[in-house]
Amino acid sequence: AQSVAQPEDQVNVAEGNPLTVKCTYSVSGNPYLFWYVQYPNRGLQFLLKYITGDNLVKGSYGFEAEFNKSQTSFHLKKPSALVSDSALYFCAVRVRRGSYIPTFGRGTSLIVHP
Amino acid sequence: NAGVTQTPKFQVLKTGQSMTLQCAQDMNHNSMYWYRQDPGMGLRLIYYSASEGTTDKGEVPNGYNVSRLNKREFSLRLESAAPSQTSVYFCASSGGLAGGPYEQYFGPGTRLTVT
Repeated sequence: AQSVAQPEDQVNVAEGNPLTVKCTYSVSGNPYLFWYVQYPNRGLQFLLKYITGDNLVKGSYGFEAEFNKSQTSFHLKKPSALVSDSALYFCAVRVRRGSYIPTFGRGTSLIVHP
Repeated sequence: NAGVTQTPKFQVLKTGQSMTLQCAQDMNHNSMYWYRQDPGMGLRLIYYSASEGTTDKGEVPNGYNVSRLNKREFSLRLESAAPSQTSVYFCASSGGLAGGPYEQYFGPGTRLTVT
């Protein structure tokens, strides 16, 4: 079984400040981990993924995520938030062997205040 | 390169009516998926197709049927629409062999209201 938790429904941050959107996961085995962003009235867009290797993954639009195996976390980060980063963010996990269907978290709404 | 396209963008149905949501991708992807998105529920998988010629149920398949018409197209049919099927529907695709570390590409969505 696999599951994802995004413990915060909403994250508020001031423009220019660093942001973190949290994600924890549970899988039986090694995971593939993904972050997606959804802007209003749009489909999800892929941001970044962790496959193996370096625990710090860099993605689109200046986002990065840190894989922490001991804490089973994959938090999304950005050093300096922009108002245009305001959107809904989804974390997804997929076990490497077995089912190839990802499980999505419920999403975290990021609001960046000017 | 249009990516994943969906039609229609909006639809209003009366209870009991039927309709088909169309999805096509031009990325030569093997796998295709149908999700529904409801407030506070995240994304829930309805059906998926790992490759041309195969389809499998996801988390919430009741009330839906699918057809993988060819490698490009994957349609979702509501035979007798119910108000509980009011939702936003997303089609997605992913490339490579099933089981690989491939991200999904999503269409723009279909907003369906059943009255």
